[in-house]
Amino acid sequence: NAGVTQTPKFRILKIGQSMTLQCTQDMNHNYMYWYRQDPGMGLKLIYYSVGAGITDKGEVPNGYNVSRSTTEDFPLRLELAAPSQTSVYFCASLGTPTDTQYFGPGTRLTVL
Amino acid sequence: GQQLNQSPQSMFIQEGEDVSMNCTSSSIFNTWLWYKQDPGEGPVLLIALYKAGELTSNGRLTAQFGITRKDSFLNISASIPSDVGIYFCAGQKGAGNNRKLIWGLGTSLAVNP
Repeated sequence: NAGVTQTPKFRILKIGQSMTLQCTQDMNHNYMYWYRQDPGMGLKLIYYSVGAGITDKGEVPNGYNVSRSTTEDFPLRLELAAPSQTSVYFCASLGTPTDTQYFGPGTRLTVL
Repeated sequence: GQQLNQSPQSMFIQEGEDVSMNCTSSSIFNTWLWYKQDPGEGPVLLIALYKAGELTSNGRLTAQFGITRKDSFLNISASIPSDVGIYFCAGQKGAGNNRKLIWGLGTSLAVNP
């Protein structure tokens, strides 16, 4: 299994541009999550999904959108990039019965 | 948002020393997790704890789920340079579609060879 994969690894955006961060897992996990991690800070939940077709807001959803059309994929969309969205973004999926989250390698995004 | 109190914030130790860090909360959790994050990587699970009072080891790492279900600690014995990284605790509450993971802010560990 490749686990959780994320693309791209790095991206620089100009203010107002849009982009989609891709996340794919091959473990057949129902639960998937998007976090952002700012320097010196912990992880903040942006959006999560409990299964295909179901998504819900986390702690910091403003400026982001998600979709979950398949079990494997959980893309995160930034419509109008702002400097405050400069961060490292992690996707994770939840495995059972251990109930633990498995993380992707992250996407480092800079908005200038 | 709700977060766990994780301490210490950072540690700088000599190789071979033991390390201890902990997380506390005013809330009760049904699972405690400890993750390690290497620079430029995503967090990787070290130890998962599922029962109050549970003590679990993974090599040189030992973690305990506090009896009150509001705290947990992680010990690393005989530290080595590759232990360098940021260690996060996370507490899980709720079940099914309502399960939520609350994260500590991390303990940054530096090991002097």
